[in-house]
Amino acid sequence: AQSVTQLGSHVSVSEGALVLLRCNYSSSVPPYLFWYVQYPNQGLQLLLKYTSAATLVKGINGFEAEFKKSETSFHLTKPSAHMSDAAEYFCAVSASGGYNKLIFGAGTRLAVHP
Amino acid sequence: KAGVTQTPRYLIKTRGQQVTLSCSPISGHRSVSWYQQTPGQGLQFLFEYFSETQRNKGNFPGRFSGRQFSNSRSEMNVSTLELGDSALYLCASSGGTSGGRQETQYFGPGTRLLVL
Repeated sequence: AQSVTQLGSHVSVSEGALVLLRCNYSSSVPPYLFWYVQYPNQGLQLLLKYTSAATLVKGINGFEAEFKKSETSFHLTKPSAHMSDAAEYFCAVSASGGYNKLIFGAGTRLAVHP
Repeated sequence: KAGVTQTPRYLIKTRGQQVTLSCSPISGHRSVSWYQQTPGQGLQFLFEYFSETQRNKGNFPGRFSGRQFSNSRSEMNVSTLELGDSALYLCASSGGTSGGRQETQYFGPGTRLLVL
């Protein structure tokens, strides 16, 4: 079975500061991992995904994530936060058994202060 | 290329009624998945359809059902609505054929359902 834990339901940073959103996963099969962002009243937008090709994955809007098997982690980072980064972020793992079933973490709401 | 579209965007129903939500996937995509998002339970997988067949199912009661048409458009139906069914229902599409578990799912804006 798979599961995802996102540490910190709310994270607050200053504009220009480092963004670090934490995600730990549990998976009995090689994991495929995703980060999605959700802006108010919108659906989910893919930021990046890990598919075993490279452990450091670069995504859109300056975000990146590093897959660490030994720590079962896939933390999301951005060197310098912008006001427009304020949103909710979800980490997800693709369930075993094939095909398109994502198991999501509870989400982290990011606030960016001027 | 147009994204995933969902209709209606907002819906208000009363307990005991039934509701049908519609999802049109990205052109060429053959897989459509549905998710329920609530403040208490977060994002939960409902089911996935591929080539008009349910290929995967989450842990929801039988009141939740879906179908997919030959043009890949999908509908989900909830019968005998309960207050707890109030949620944002998200639809996602993907190619469905090549990527398996690593395929990217593209989400629509969702339908917000309020049950009174």
